[in-house]
Order: sequence, then C-alpha cells, then structure tokens
Amino acid sequence: EAGVAQSPRYKIIEKRQSVAFWCNPISGHATLYWYQQILGQGPKLLIQFQNNGVVDDSQLPKDRFSAERLKGVDSTLKIQPAKLEDSAVYLCASSLDRLRLHNEQFFGPGTRLTVL
Amino acid sequence: ILNVEQSPQSLHVQEGDSTNFTCSFPSSNFYALHWYRWETAKSPEALFVMTLNGDEKKKGRISATLNTKEGYSYLYIKGSQPEDSATYLCASWVGSSNTGKLIFGQGTTLQVKP
Repeated sequence: EAGVAQSPRYKIIEKRQSVAFWCNPISGHATLYWYQQILGQGPKLLIQFQNNGVVDDSQLPKDRFSAERLKGVDSTLKIQPAKLEDSAVYLCASSLDRLRLHNEQFFGPGTRLTVL
Repeated sequence: ILNVEQSPQSLHVQEGDSTNFTCSFPSSNFYALHWYRWETAKSPEALFVMTLNGDEKKKGRISATLNTKEGYSYLYIKGSQPEDSATYLCASWVGSSNTGKLIFGQGTTLQVKP
C-alpha cells in the first residue's frame, strides 16, 4: 500500500514570498489533515477535510494560508505572503472515515519550510 | 484550550536500558489517546490508539498503559536499541467523535547510544 506523498520535501523562501505544498493521501482515505510543526512543539492542526469539504479550519491563519482538496483526493496548502514565523515542518496525514477518533492517522514525510 | 504535556522533553540512554515516558492530558471528556513515533527524515508512524481506562497495548519491545481517570499514559521501551532513537508523540482526541481533532504533546526525543 502506497503511503501519503508530499512534495516538496524542503523549501527555502524569503519573507513575503508565496509557497505551495502538495499532498496525495492513501487511496480510499476520506479524511485529510494538514499540520504545522514548529521546532520544539507538537504538530498543530491547521485544517481538516472530509472528502472535499472542510471539517475544521479554526487554527488556519486565513489572512495568509489557504488550502483546497479538489475532487476529494489530493490537496494543496498555500502560504501567501510568508512570514518568518511560518518556518516549520508541514505534515499531511490521512485516515479512514469511519470512527475517526479510533483510526490511526497516516503521515507523509513532511515539507520543511525555511523563511528567511 | 486543551493541553497535552509530555515528559521528559529528551532522554539519552545506553543500548539495553529500559525506559519510559509520560503523557498527561485532561481527563474530562476523554475520547482516545494516540502514540506516534517519528524518526528523523521519516514519516511519523502510529504505535497505539487507546480508548479504554486501564488499557495496555504492546508492540514488540514497546508497550503503553492508559489511565483516563487521572489523565496519563505511559510508554515503555524494554531493552532500548539504537533504532528506537526517535521522537515519541502522544495526542489526545478532543471534540466530538466525528468532528474532533488530535491535540499533540511536544514530544519526547529519545537517543539510544550503542
């Protein structure tokens, strides 16, 4: 079974530039998550999709972050414009739909973003 | 805001030592606790999903216990090996069963010296 794919693995940009990350979840997984992990902290949920609908985006900084999951499969997360404090690892995860709280989440390798 | 705390923040042990870490979470409205292992340059992978008070789970040399009444979980590694070196994350499910989310602790980073 193929795992969760993410690209790019690393990205270095200057502040005020834009950046986009891509995620392809495990086939058949209806739920997709984007997490932000800042050094020294645990992953923080940015947005959660159920198929192509948003379940929770309460911690997404909507003035600069956006995400979409067209057709309920792969997803993109965009930052425009980036700030220094956006430097972090961005993790994508997916899980089966039913009884979500009991289902383990399958993570991609993450994208390490450095904003200079 | 729900806080999930892990201790210690980091740990250095010798190969063969047994070790354990703690995850603390608010005990009210408990739904589920997840443990993940995150090796450097790899994807985090699930170790255990625990839901019942008193639950104990085991995978090889790694085991975990859960106390939902007092709000803690222990992760044990017996006879640590260098390949156990990783960051161990716990996360508590908050919100409803269908619209909730995981709140992660900051992790415990384990380094096993050969």
